Amino acid sequence: ETGVTQTPRHLVMGMTNKKSLKCEQHLGHNAMYWYKQSAKKPLELMFVYSLEERVENNSVPSRFSPECPNSSHLFLHLHTLQPEDSALYLCASSQVELGATFTGELFFGEGSRLTVL
Amino acid sequence: GEDVEQSLFLSVREGDSSVINCTYTDSSSTYLYWYKQEPGAGLQLLTYIFSNMDMKQDQRLTVLLNKKDKHLSLRIADTQTGDSAIYFCAESSYGYSTLTFGKGTMLLVSP
Repeated sequence: ETGVTQTPRHLVMGMTNKKSLKCEQHLGHNAMYWYKQSAKKPLELMFVYSLEERVENNSVPSRFSPECPNSSHLFLHLHTLQPEDSALYLCASSQVELGATFTGELFFGEGSRLTVL
Repeated sequence: GEDVEQSLFLSVREGDSSVINCTYTDSSSTYLYWYKQEPGAGLQLLTYIFSNMDMKQDQRLTVLLNKKDKHLSLRIADTQTGDSAIYFCAESSYGYSTLTFGKGTMLLVSP
């Protein structure tokens, strides 16, 4: 099994649909992330689950809803999306130690390419 | 907020050296990173440098850090067609388990 697996790899949805993206990590890490990658824009951190705490980017619209049932699984629930939400959604994981400097090694999945019609 | 800036595109010939530049604004950055993204794939960590270092070499890769100017560069020696990818500069600050990324520099290596 690869380290971080994302499904589906491609998703096309209408603006009224509800869908979910799934991420699973097999690395024993304790932190998971959702990033949004749009053309010609910096990678945008959407949500972090780290050491059982959730941190979110306040600029992410509420139509994106994360869920992290355990340290190995992460979901991104999508509801009433807009065409500008079309992007590559990347999941990543890392190992975070309390009190230690974060060395920044994120392990990324291959991404879920989302198209909103 | 913190910013990481990179040029968007670089084109080189096979065998030449490539230099990809990055500037950042957060003076409290503790680590700076270079990630590589090949077509259809996620990002992969290439190398990183601690902020109290000014150079790190790893085989064909040389990272230079000018902390005063907040400038980071990645030099790839003897660039190969397999090095064609998007290269992302990123930084992290002490106490935060997140990275701030730039927009990425697309490197195109022609034969």
